[in-house]
Amino acid sequence: ELQLVESGGGLVQPGGSLRLSCVGSGFSFGDAWLSWVRQAPGKGLEWVANINSNGGEERYLGSVKGRFSISRDNAKKSVFLQMNSLRAEDSAVYYCATGWGLDHWGQGTLVTVSS
Amino acid sequence: DIVMTQSPDSLAVSLGERATLNCKSSQSVLSTSDSLNYLAWFQQKPGQPPKMLMYWASSRQAGVPDRISGSGSGTDFTLTISNLQAEDVAVYYCQQYYSIPTFGQGTKVEIK
Repeated sequence: ELQLVESGGGLVQPGGSLRLSCVGSGFSFGDAWLSWVRQAPGKGLEWVANINSNGGEERYLGSVKGRFSISRDNAKKSVFLQMNSLRAEDSAVYYCATGWGLDHWGQGTLVTVSS
Repeated sequence: DIVMTQSPDSLAVSLGERATLNCKSSQSVLSTSDSLNYLAWFQQKPGQPPKMLMYWASSRQAGVPDRISGSGSGTDFTLTISNLQAEDVAVYYCQQYYSIPTFGQGTKVEIK
C-alpha cells in the first residue's frame, strides 16, 4: 500500500525556519516526482513546490521562491521542504504528494507562524 | 500561471439525484503532442487529505465508483456525480497539471 507520512510541523515565530519531512513507502520512490501542497485553515489547495526523480529539477510557487527549498534523499525515501523567513500567510497544513498530477497524498503536517 | 475557476461554489442535491460540477481553465490544458487533457478532480472530506478521483479529465482512479464521471476538453470540464450518496458530501477541486499545478477554488456538495 502506498503511504506518505509527513512530519516537522509546529509553531514558529515570523521570520523563523522549519524543515518538513515526508517518508514514502509502497511505490518506486526513486522514480517519482514529488510535491508539497498546502492548505490554509478553511481555504483551498495551493501547490508549493515539486522536484523530479533525481533531484535535478525543482519548481516553486512564486511567493515562496527564495525562501523555501525542496530536496530529496532517495536512499531514505524522503523528501524535504526547508522553509525560511516564514510569514503568517505561510500557516497551513502541508501535504506531500506523488507525481506531477498529485495522485497520492499524505495526511499532512500543520505549520503555524505566529508570535 | 493557468487560472482554474469552478462553478458553482456550493451545490445542494437530493439523495439519488445528479450533481454537476464545472471547471474552466484560463488557457487550454489539452496537449497537442499526446491529445491528453492535463486535468484532474479531487474530493476532500473534512479532516482528510484530498483524494484523486479523475485524471486525464475522464479516467477514473482505481476504486472510484462508476457513478462519478469526468468529461470535457480544452478549457471546459465537468465532474458528474450520479445517484448522489451521503458519502459524496465533500469539497471537490479541479486541478490542471499541464504546467505548474494550479487548483480551482472548490465546489462544496451538500445534501438537500
